Amino acid sequence: DIQMTQSPSTVSASVGDRVTITCRASQSISSWLAWYQHKPGKAPNFLVYRASSLQSGVPSRFSGSGSGTEFTLTISSLQPDDFATYYCQQYATSPWTFGQGTKVEIK
Amino acid sequence: QVQLQESGPGLLKPSGTLSLTCAVSGDSISSSTLWSWVRQPPGKGLEWIGEIYQSSGSTYYNPSLESRVTISVDKSRNQFSLKLTSVTAADTAVYYCARATLARYFDLWGRGTLVTVSS
Repeated sequence: DIQMTQSPSTVSASVGDRVTITCRASQSISSWLAWYQHKPGKAPNFLVYRASSLQSGVPSRFSGSGSGTEFTLTISSLQPDDFATYYCQQYATSPWTFGQGTKVEIK
Repeated sequence: QVQLQESGPGLLKPSGTLSLTCAVSGDSISSSTLWSWVRQPPGKGLEWIGEIYQSSGSTYYNPSLESRVTISVDKSRNQFSLKLTSVTAADTAVYYCARATLARYFDLWGRGTLVTVSS
């Protein structure tokens, strides 16, 4: 299975901060990477596909980049609604696997 | 808009069978091709369980669970289901149903349902 490793596990930030989350794959997955946002008790929210393509309706402050084995999700100016846990997922090779999550918390 | 809602028993005894249903509302289940189940044990990451093509009924499972998993679809009820046999405490998790694209990312999720395996 392809292992997905996210860092950091937790990031403490303030409203308006720029936040960057890293996701590394144990082998090359080209650009077959998605990002999700998850708040407790709610359905996960799909943000990004193919590493850098924003899902319709996702605010432009979110951006994804990377290819191969290293990827980033950046929030350019953190908003109150963005405090959540973020997961990456590879869909290059079955079984589809996820990172362990990065929690963005209020500083 | 399309919504997914998981339902099923929240508590199971070890060696029992976990049975969950995902109700699709707001559209026909036949409007989308691929439906999936994902779970998250307490304090751990997300784990893909398996998927089903609604048109053919073809299924694909995570090899780590394949011997115990069955996913099925009931178009007449606009829902799909998960069965996991011989459960242990390690199967305690929040179980999510999700719509998958043909590329295999998940563009719509349910809120999840906690299933606890305990004697």
